[in-house]
Amino acid sequence: EPEVTQTPSHQVTQMGQEVILRCVPISNHLYFYWYRQILGQKVEFLVSFYNNEISEKSEIFDDQFSVERPDGSNFTLKIRSTKLEDSAMYFCATHGTGGAYGYTFGSGTRLTVV
Amino acid sequence: KNEVEQSPQNLTAQEGEFITINCSYSVGISALHWLQQHPGGGIVSLFMLSSGKKKHGRLIATINIQEKHSSLHITASHPRDSAVYICAVYNTDKLIFGTGTRLQVFP
Repeated sequence: EPEVTQTPSHQVTQMGQEVILRCVPISNHLYFYWYRQILGQKVEFLVSFYNNEISEKSEIFDDQFSVERPDGSNFTLKIRSTKLEDSAMYFCATHGTGGAYGYTFGSGTRLTVV
Repeated sequence: KNEVEQSPQNLTAQEGEFITINCSYSVGISALHWLQQHPGGGIVSLFMLSSGKKKHGRLIATINIQEKHSSLHITASHPRDSAVYICAVYNTDKLIFGTGTRLQVFP
């Protein structure tokens, strides 16, 4: 079964450092998302991306965050200057042209900011 | 108020019991997902519903669009069903998640 691949699985970073989280979507999927889950809390939407641009973003997705698809395959989330409160599990998700059908999540990147 | 509410928050059961988890939502949706999250954190999609009922093995999901309510049923529960079950609704271009129901099934 096709998978969404996320790397790294776990990253520890110093506060103030930049991190890049990577996602390889399923090959024929066109809609890409980042979600995050702070420990013990529900999953929250960060951003959606279609046709090489952001289609929707949440209040959480402020100027320290950015997304891009640099080489047509990887989909990345960059956090420019990490804060302690950015510590969370970050999930990439993708789906194809059937709307919400075929929604597939990556296994997540656990980000720990120290 | 949360846009997606689940009940119960925690559920314990003996192996073989019939389980029901409920989800109510207050926003317009085009679809509803039931998801499973294991202790390692990974999320797996169980069902995507826009109407009626779906069945997969021992799992059954129903949705009532008029009442904005969905249920996930597990028949003949097993310890390997122990996980967090999450309801998420597809609204505009994103999923809105419930807080999850933590299920523990004991032998």
